Amino acid sequence: SQKIEQNSEALNIQEGKTATLTCNYTNYSPAYLQWYRQDPGRGPVFLLLIRENEKEKRKERLKVTFDTTLKQSLFHITASQPADSATYLCALGSGDDYKLSFGAGTTVTVRA
Amino acid sequence: SQTIHQWPATLVQPVGSPLSLECTVEGTSNPNLYWYRQAAGRGLQLLFYSVGIGQISSEVPQNLSASRPQDRQFILSSKKLLLSDSGFYLCGAGEADTQYFGPGTRLTVL
Repeated sequence: SQKIEQNSEALNIQEGKTATLTCNYTNYSPAYLQWYRQDPGRGPVFLLLIRENEKEKRKERLKVTFDTTLKQSLFHITASQPADSATYLCALGSGDDYKLSFGAGTTVTVRA
Repeated sequence: SQTIHQWPATLVQPVGSPLSLECTVEGTSNPNLYWYRQAAGRGLQLLFYSVGIGQISSEVPQNLSASRPQDRQFILSSKKLLLSDSGFYLCGAGEADTQYFGPGTRLTVL
């Protein structure tokens, strides 16, 4: 069965450092992979999408890589700020019906 | 851009009572619509999705049901709630390769 794993339940980092989050998957051939941010008690907010034929995507201080051989995506937050503290979810899509399969998320806490 | 409304924001219901959660979408036409449930510290579990009025696909067997009476309205229902139905319910609307989410409903079944 499909399995999506995100690294460690929580990540604590110092302000200004880079946070690196991992999303690994098995038994899946996604057409694209997405990253969402979720604040406590709120719905997820879309951040970035990367397709299977893309290696890297950037948006402001965010960078996503996608390695379909390793079946892994890395999500980087550079120059992190306390406002970046949230849970980050990865989601995989097959592309045919826009259904997404979500990982459990990684909670990031940025200390000032 | 589209906006997704969900209500109520929180709900406490006794076991065996009925449930009706409503979701409406603004800013788009004929969206794919989704109902997810999120348990504490867990990812989103897809419950139902709909590609059009009256078209509902169920992903997980359970005592819940969904309906889409109008293009931008999606309803999640149950005739008799179970303790295990407690969770955070999210309505999603799909546009191309992106999904937008509503603010969610926190359901506690006692």
